Amino acid sequence: QLQLQESGPGLVKPSETLSLTCTVSGGSISSSSYYWGWIRQPPGKGLEWIGSIYYSGSTYYNPSLKSRVTISVDTSKNQFSLKLSSVTAADTAVYYCARQPLYSSSLPMEWGQGTLVTVSS
Amino acid sequence: EIVLTQSPGTLSLSPGERATLSCRASQSVSSSYLAWYQQKPGQAPRLLIYGASSRATGIPDRFSGSGSGTDFTLTISRLEPEDFAVYYCQQYGSSPGLTFGGGTKVEIK
Repeated sequence: QLQLQESGPGLVKPSETLSLTCTVSGGSISSSSYYWGWIRQPPGKGLEWIGSIYYSGSTYYNPSLKSRVTISVDTSKNQFSLKLSSVTAADTAVYYCARQPLYSSSLPMEWGQGTLVTVSS
Repeated sequence: EIVLTQSPGTLSLSPGERATLSCRASQSVSSSYLAWYQQKPGQAPRLLIYGASSRATGIPDRFSGSGSGTDFTLTISRLEPEDFAVYYCQQYGSSPGLTFGGGTKVEIK
């Protein structure tokens, strides 16, 4: 059974870079059948897609965040990562990682439990 | 970019009543790539409906989805206590980009 687990600092200072990792177990991140995505949710607000990556390294970003986002994949560790630069309080959110099968037209079928990242000095 | 608008923002109903939630897209959603999620506090979203009308695995048949083009509806035929939550619609497709609606909260009246 596939499991996704987000990890990283829960507190980041303004103007710094937020870094999170999603560890995949029960499946291979090197499969050609999936995208791997990041989605966030500010406290009490709605969901926002941040971006996704294919095992080959091809990336797709939300245009509203593109200038600050980098998503990468480490197939040797079965992990993919998110970096968001120049953060502000508006980036405080629960960050989820998800698997997006190509056969479901990239609909997220499995989600991690989410991790709260607070941006504060 | 497709914008999804959900209405109403909050729906106050009693257990046993019927809930009707709306999701309107700013342009036509291709191939009915429209999904609905349920989210409870402290939990990740749970997929209910995909392809506008197909129930995900394990979802009770009191949940149903309908619509095409720009207008979509999630109906809960008889609300159970565990159904009080926030519901999101989502557009997906051939690229991995996703768009979410703002959500509808179904609360106990």
